[in-house]
Amino acid sequence: NAGVMQNPRHLVRRRGQEARLRCSPMKGHSHVYWYRQLPEEGLKFMVYLQKENIIDESGMPKERFSAEFPKEGPSILRIQQVVRGDSAAYFCASSPLYRGQSGSTEAFFGQGTRLTVV
Amino acid sequence: DAKTTQPNSMESNEEEPVHLPCNHSTISGTDYIHWYRQLPSQGPEYVIHGLTSNVNNRMASLAIAEDRKSSTLILHRATLRDAAVYYCIPSSNSGYALNFGKGTSLLVTP
Repeated sequence: NAGVMQNPRHLVRRRGQEARLRCSPMKGHSHVYWYRQLPEEGLKFMVYLQKENIIDESGMPKERFSAEFPKEGPSILRIQQVVRGDSAAYFCASSPLYRGQSGSTEAFFGQGTRLTVV
Repeated sequence: DAKTTQPNSMESNEEEPVHLPCNHSTISGTDYIHWYRQLPSQGPEYVIHGLTSNVNNRMASLAIAEDRKSSTLILHRATLRDAAVYYCIPSSNSGYALNFGKGTSLLVTP
Protein backbone atom coordinates (compact mmCIF):
# COMPACT_ATOMS: atom_id res chain seq x y z
CA ASN A 1 0.00 0.00 0.00
CA ALA A 2 1.74 3.13 -1.21
CA GLY A 3 1.93 6.03 1.19
CA VAL A 4 0.82 9.58 0.55
CA MET A 5 2.39 10.68 -2.71
CA GLN A 6 3.26 14.29 -3.37
CA ASN A 7 4.69 15.74 -6.54
CA PRO A 8 6.75 17.41 -7.52
CA ARG A 9 9.24 17.03 -4.65
CA HIS A 10 10.92 20.29 -5.61
CA LEU A 11 9.39 23.18 -7.51
CA VAL A 12 11.02 26.44 -8.56
CA ARG A 13 8.86 29.31 -9.70
CA ARG A 14 9.59 32.91 -10.60
CA ARG A 15 7.67 35.64 -8.82
CA GLY A 16 4.25 36.07 -10.38
CA GLN A 17 3.98 32.53 -11.74
CA GLU A 18 1.52 29.90 -10.56
CA ALA A 19 2.47 26.88 -8.50
CA ARG A 20 0.44 23.65 -8.52
CA LEU A 21 1.18 21.04 -5.91
CA ARG A 22 -0.37 17.60 -6.14
CA CYS A 23 -1.20 15.07 -3.46
CA SER A 24 -2.51 11.53 -3.85
CA PRO A 25 -3.77 10.19 -0.51
CA MET A 26 -3.23 6.67 0.70
CA LYS A 27 -5.56 4.11 -0.80
CA GLY A 28 -8.86 4.12 1.01
CA HIS A 29 -8.34 7.52 2.59
CA SER A 30 -10.95 10.12 1.80
CA HIS A 31 -9.66 12.95 3.99
CA VAL A 32 -6.81 15.22 2.86
CA TYR A 33 -5.03 17.98 4.77
CA TRP A 34 -2.50 20.51 3.58
CA TYR A 35 0.18 22.05 5.79
CA ARG A 36 2.88 24.63 5.21
CA GLN A 37 6.28 24.70 6.90
CA LEU A 38 8.14 27.98 6.62
CA PRO A 39 11.91 27.92 7.16
CA GLU A 40 12.86 27.35 10.81
CA GLU A 41 9.20 26.93 11.83
CA GLY A 42 6.82 24.08 12.58
CA LEU A 43 4.07 22.96 10.23
CA LYS A 44 0.91 25.04 10.16
CA PHE A 45 -2.48 23.70 9.14
CA MET A 46 -3.90 25.22 5.96
CA VAL A 47 -6.95 23.30 4.76
CA TYR A 48 -8.93 20.10 5.24
CA LEU A 49 -10.76 18.55 2.29
CA GLN A 50 -12.92 15.57 1.54
CA LYS A 51 -13.86 14.51 -1.97
CA GLU A 52 -15.39 17.55 -3.72
CA ASN A 53 -15.74 19.43 -0.42
CA ILE A 54 -13.69 21.91 1.55
CA ILE A 55 -14.34 21.15 5.20
CA ASP A 56 -12.10 23.70 6.90
CA GLU A 57 -9.92 26.31 5.22
CA SER A 58 -9.29 28.42 8.28
CA GLY A 59 -5.51 28.20 7.82
CA MET A 60 -5.45 29.26 4.18
CA PRO A 61 -4.24 32.74 3.25
CA LYS A 62 -7.23 34.72 2.00
CA GLU A 63 -5.76 35.54 -1.39
CA ARG A 64 -3.90 33.63 -4.10
CA PHE A 65 -4.25 30.21 -2.42
CA SER A 66 -6.86 27.61 -3.29
CA ALA A 67 -7.26 23.89 -2.84
CA GLU A 68 -9.44 21.19 -4.32
CA PHE A 69 -9.95 17.46 -4.03
CA PRO A 70 -11.95 16.34 -7.05
CA LYS A 71 -14.00 13.17 -7.32
CA GLU A 72 -11.26 11.67 -9.48
CA GLY A 73 -7.56 12.41 -9.24
CA PRO A 74 -5.25 13.97 -6.70
CA SER A 75 -5.82 16.92 -4.42
CA ILE A 76 -4.32 20.13 -5.76
CA LEU A 77 -2.97 23.10 -3.83
CA ARG A 78 -2.74 26.07 -6.14
CA ILE A 79 -0.82 29.26 -5.45
CA GLN A 80 -1.33 32.08 -7.92
CA GLN A 81 1.14 34.92 -8.49
CA VAL A 82 3.72 33.47 -6.14
CA VAL A 83 5.90 35.75 -4.02
CA ARG A 84 9.17 35.05 -2.24
CA GLY A 85 7.34 34.62 1.05
CA ASP A 86 5.56 31.57 -0.36
CA SER A 87 8.86 29.68 -0.39
CA ALA A 88 8.29 26.81 2.01
CA ALA A 89 7.76 23.09 2.30
CA TYR A 90 4.16 22.09 1.67
CA PHE A 91 3.00 18.83 3.18
CA CYS A 92 -0.09 16.84 2.48
CA ALA A 93 -1.56 14.30 4.88
CA SER A 94 -4.44 11.86 4.61
CA SER A 95 -6.52 9.84 7.00
CA PRO A 96 -9.19 7.16 6.69
CA LEU A 97 -12.86 7.85 7.09
CA TYR A 98 -13.19 5.64 10.15
CA ARG A 99 -11.84 7.48 13.18
CA GLY A 100 -11.62 4.48 15.39
CA GLN A 101 -12.57 3.96 18.98
CA SER A 102 -10.05 6.48 20.23
CA GLY A 103 -12.09 9.36 18.86
CA SER A 104 -9.03 10.66 17.12
CA THR A 105 -7.17 9.55 14.09
CA GLU A 106 -3.65 9.27 12.87
CA ALA A 107 -2.67 11.33 9.85
CA PHE A 108 -0.20 9.99 7.32
CA PHE A 109 2.07 12.57 5.74
CA GLY A 110 3.73 12.74 2.38
CA GLN A 111 7.33 13.77 1.90
CA GLY A 112 6.38 17.28 0.92
CA THR A 113 6.93 19.66 -1.96
CA ARG A 114 9.64 22.22 -1.47
CA LEU A 115 8.66 25.39 -3.28
CA THR A 116 11.31 27.97 -4.03
CA VAL A 117 10.27 31.32 -5.47
CA VAL A 118 13.06 33.19 -7.21
CA ASP B 1 -5.03 25.85 20.27
CA ALA B 2 -3.36 25.06 23.57
CA LYS B 3 0.14 26.49 23.92
CA THR B 4 2.92 23.96 24.37
CA THR B 5 6.41 24.19 25.84
CA GLN B 6 9.08 21.67 24.88
CA PRO B 7 12.85 21.73 25.35
CA ASN B 8 14.60 22.93 22.21
CA SER B 9 16.92 19.94 22.18
CA MET B 10 17.82 16.78 24.05
CA GLU B 11 20.56 14.25 23.73
CA SER B 12 20.58 10.55 24.45
CA ASN B 13 22.91 7.62 24.14
CA GLU B 14 21.92 4.78 21.89
CA GLU B 15 19.93 1.98 23.54
CA GLU B 16 19.07 4.12 26.55
CA PRO B 17 15.55 5.30 27.40
CA VAL B 18 14.54 8.84 26.47
CA HIS B 19 11.89 10.92 28.20
CA LEU B 20 10.66 13.86 26.13
CA PRO B 21 8.58 16.29 28.20
CA CYS B 22 5.83 18.62 27.06
CA ASN B 23 3.88 21.21 29.03
CA HIS B 24 0.41 22.08 27.79
CA SER B 25 -1.12 23.87 30.74
CA THR B 26 -3.92 25.50 28.71
CA ILE B 27 -5.19 22.25 27.22
CA SER B 28 -8.97 21.91 27.12
CA GLY B 29 -10.78 18.94 28.54
CA THR B 30 -11.52 17.40 25.15
CA ASP B 31 -8.15 17.93 23.47
CA TYR B 32 -6.20 14.85 22.56
CA ILE B 33 -2.41 14.95 22.93
CA HIS B 34 -0.69 13.92 19.73
CA TRP B 35 2.99 13.26 19.23
CA TYR B 36 4.60 13.32 15.82
CA ARG B 37 8.21 13.27 14.79
CA GLN B 38 9.96 14.59 11.71
CA LEU B 39 13.21 13.25 10.35
CA PRO B 40 15.36 15.58 8.24
CA SER B 41 13.82 16.29 4.83
CA GLN B 42 10.84 14.05 5.57
CA GLY B 43 7.20 14.55 6.34
CA PRO B 44 6.01 14.16 9.93
CA GLU B 45 5.40 10.66 11.19
CA TYR B 46 2.74 9.77 13.74
CA VAL B 47 4.13 8.42 17.00
CA ILE B 48 1.29 8.16 19.51
CA HIS B 49 -1.72 9.98 20.93
CA GLY B 50 -3.86 9.86 24.06
CA LEU B 51 -6.54 11.64 26.03
CA THR B 52 -6.28 10.80 29.73
CA SER B 53 -4.80 7.36 30.24
CA ASN B 54 -1.24 6.37 29.55
CA VAL B 55 -0.83 4.76 26.15
CA ASN B 56 1.63 2.26 24.70
CA ASN B 57 2.34 1.21 21.14
CA ARG B 58 5.19 -0.41 19.28
CA MET B 59 7.03 2.88 18.89
CA ALA B 60 6.70 4.55 22.26
CA SER B 61 4.76 5.14 25.46
CA LEU B 62 2.85 8.26 26.40
CA ALA B 63 2.52 9.22 30.04
CA ILE B 64 -0.13 11.86 30.69
CA ALA B 65 -0.20 13.75 33.98
CA GLU B 66 -3.32 13.40 36.05
CA ASP B 67 -4.20 17.07 35.58
CA ARG B 68 -3.37 16.75 31.85
CA LYS B 69 -1.21 19.85 31.95
CA SER B 70 1.84 17.91 30.85
CA SER B 71 2.82 14.69 29.15
CA THR B 72 5.97 12.72 28.49
CA LEU B 73 6.85 10.69 25.44
CA ILE B 74 9.00 7.71 26.34
CA LEU B 75 11.24 5.96 23.86
CA HIS B 76 12.26 2.81 25.67
CA ARG B 77 15.52 2.20 23.81
CA ALA B 78 16.73 5.00 21.58
CA THR B 79 18.28 4.08 18.26
CA LEU B 80 20.12 6.25 15.78
CA ARG B 81 17.00 6.21 13.62
CA ASP B 82 15.09 7.95 16.40
CA ALA B 83 17.06 11.16 15.87
CA ALA B 84 14.38 13.61 14.80
CA VAL B 85 12.35 16.61 15.90
CA TYR B 86 9.53 15.51 18.19
CA TYR B 87 6.34 17.54 18.34
CA CYS B 88 3.73 17.49 21.07
CA ILE B 89 0.37 18.74 19.73
CA PRO B 90 -2.84 19.12 21.72
CA SER B 91 -5.73 19.06 19.32
CA SER B 92 -9.47 18.65 19.41
CA ASN B 93 -11.57 15.76 18.17
CA SER B 94 -10.20 14.27 15.00
CA GLY B 95 -6.97 16.16 15.39
CA TYR B 96 -6.82 17.26 11.79
CA ALA B 97 -5.94 20.88 12.46
CA LEU B 98 -2.54 20.04 13.88
CA ASN B 99 -0.36 23.07 14.44
CA PHE B 100 3.21 22.06 15.10
CA GLY B 101 5.38 24.20 17.33
CA LYS B 102 9.16 24.08 17.20
CA GLY B 103 9.40 20.71 18.93
CA THR B 104 12.36 19.03 20.57
CA SER B 105 15.32 18.07 18.45
CA LEU B 106 16.56 14.71 19.72
CA LEU B 107 20.17 13.77 19.10
CA VAL B 108 21.11 10.13 19.60
CA THR B 109 24.77 9.30 19.93
CA PRO B 110 26.34 5.86 19.53
